[in-house]
Amino acid sequence: AQKITQTQPGMFVQEKEAVTLDCTYDTSDPSYGLFWYKQPSSGEMIFLIYQGSYDQQNATEGRYSLNFQKARKSANLVISASQLGDSAMYFCAMREVGFTGANSKLTFGKGITLSVRP
Amino acid sequence: DAGVIQSPRHEVTEMGQEVTLRCKLISGHNSLFWYRQTMMRGLELLIYFNNNVPIDDSGMPEDRFSAKMPNASFSTLKIQPSEPRDSAVYFCASRPQGTYGYTFGSGTRLTVV
Repeated sequence: AQKITQTQPGMFVQEKEAVTLDCTYDTSDPSYGLFWYKQPSSGEMIFLIYQGSYDQQNATEGRYSLNFQKARKSANLVISASQLGDSAMYFCAMREVGFTGANSKLTFGKGITLSVRP
Repeated sequence: DAGVIQSPRHEVTEMGQEVTLRCKLISGHNSLFWYRQTMMRGLELLIYFNNNVPIDDSGMPEDRFSAKMPNASFSTLKIQPSEPRDSAVYFCASRPQGTYGYTFGSGTRLTVV
């Protein structure tokens, strides 16, 4: 089974509007972390936001917020006031801590392409 | 400033040749990850190290791939012999101490012809 599922096709949003990028995950580990990364056309991977499984509040970082619904196992990224520079590929990822706490690898979803229209 | 530097940025080689990708960590890291990105398979973890020790190499495709981390700030990923299906972008990443986010290098775009 896939650990991270991103099923939306290419997304389009009008500049200055908000957009939600969907991510669902699958784990039996009670301790895990969820991440979102941005990959513009230049290719670099840019860390955006992190949510821990025990965090009581949804994470926010500037225009980015993470809508964390633990029971539904979803971790959607919300980008407010979209800008042209937000056009990129967006990846959701998960880190499962494991019983020893030594497992630190990130597992990525397939990504979602976002295009911001002027 | 904790950073990840990869070299080369681009590599074009002929099938059968040996390829070595390099990754340098700039201070404050204790883990290192090698990922491969292709259109078909997305981002795949190849291998990762904690404190210079390989922890999980289950993603290494086959014996043609090998990775080393001789010290806390440097790692190599070697492909010998290379094949056209190895063409991909290879990322090195690390998790700086005291942070949640993983820092990625700029990647090496490998083309095997």
